[in-house]
Amino acid sequence: EIVLTQSPATLSLSPGERATLSCRASQSVSGYLAWYQKKPGQAPRLLIYDASHRATGIPARFSGSGSGTDFTLTIGSLEPEDFAVYYCHQRSTWPQTFGQGTKVEIK
Amino acid sequence: QIVESGGGVVQPGRSLRLSCVASGFTLSSFGMHWVRQAPGKGLEWLAVILYDGSNQYYADSVKGRFTISRDDFKSTVYLQMKSLRDEDTAVYYCARGATRLDIWGQGTMVIVSS
Repeated sequence: EIVLTQSPATLSLSPGERATLSCRASQSVSGYLAWYQKKPGQAPRLLIYDASHRATGIPARFSGSGSGTDFTLTIGSLEPEDFAVYYCHQRSTWPQTFGQGTKVEIK
Repeated sequence: QIVESGGGVVQPGRSLRLSCVASGFTLSSFGMHWVRQAPGKGLEWLAVILYDGSNQYYADSVKGRFTISRDDFKSTVYLQMKSLRDEDTAVYYCARGATRLDIWGQGTMVIVSS
């Protein structure tokens, strides 16, 4: 199975700062990578699909890039509601897999 | 909208069936997934059933123990779980997915404990 490795594990930032999250795949997933936001007690929320496409209703401060094995989620300017755990997810190969998550916490 | 049900407390080795009822979209047009999150852990993809029910795929951790199925007339997807283990304790989410998991339920909690 494809292993997705996210870094860093934790990102400590202040509101207004830029967040850069990384996801590396153990083999190419082409562009079939998505990003989800997860808050405690809530369902995951789709942010980005197919590496760079923003999901419906997602603010423009969220952007995704990359292809093959290296992907990045960027949050342009952190809002208070953006502090959460972020997961990458590949649909290139069965079984689909998630990364272990990056926690974005308030500094 | 997606609503999961069927969770609860179950003893190790026993079985449980989760249900996922979809509304507001045509279930037969979409693949449907199950994903779980164990306490303090990350998201784990478990299983998918394709839009036409032709194929199902599973994570290695549940292959042979869990079975995903669907009843489009009832707009419902199921996850039959057998030989449950302590490590299956988690919140189980159902999600709609074609090219992305774009609609999720709120989850149902399964606790495996003697």
